[in-house]
Amino acid sequence: GAGVSQTPSNKVTEKGKYVELRCDPISGHTALYWYRQSLGQGPEFLIYFQGTGAADDSGLPNDRFFAVRPEGSVSTLKIQRTERGDSAVYLCASSLIRGVMETQYFGPGTRLLVL
Amino acid sequence: AQTVTQSQPEMSVQEAETVTLSCTYDTSESDYYLFWYKQPPSRQMILVIRQEAYKQQNATENRFSVNFQKAAKSFSLKISDSQLGDAAMYFCAYRSAGNAGNMLTFGGGTRLMVKP
Repeated sequence: GAGVSQTPSNKVTEKGKYVELRCDPISGHTALYWYRQSLGQGPEFLIYFQGTGAADDSGLPNDRFFAVRPEGSVSTLKIQRTERGDSAVYLCASSLIRGVMETQYFGPGTRLLVL
Repeated sequence: AQTVTQSQPEMSVQEAETVTLSCTYDTSESDYYLFWYKQPPSRQMILVIRQEAYKQQNATENRFSVNFQKAAKSFSLKISDSQLGDAAMYFCAYRSAGNAGNMLTFGGGTRLMVKP
């Protein structure tokens, strides 16, 4: 597709459940990022992939959060034993190069609501 | 660690007028990049304008321009001839130019309202 896509658009789950959020980056983009945006705040970095490997996962809040990108394209953010505090918009972004003019292009996000 | 601060939670402007959104940041690095993103209700972050810290000239993109003051660590966004479609959340963001990572560090955002 022309832009970054994320599915589902909205997800409602119950506390304690497992969820998976998917990101399809722009074709050919080697870098992929996940951010979390809580209500009324700016996005916060979670994890960055360069190709298939997680180059920086320092933003993951705890071991309930995990992300994969097995073929260097689509990425899945996985949250185990969800808590109400995990409710937020999860944004994915991709970029072509790491360099002077790298620009991150964002998807529309997945709004996660944990009841 | 870098921090980005947007001190104006909300701003309002009359259509066709000019408005300036403020952003300050804290860093010990000398080389970095600064960005302004727009987030409409659709949630998708859209790049408005970017600035390389090593460039003294302020970036301009059509009706959008920045006032980059490196010594003061200030990076304000000026929107000229405001249009109804400019109404959105605006986020200032910082990215290191070094090997520390490519992550963006965002400010808390400013909600811009445009009055017809």
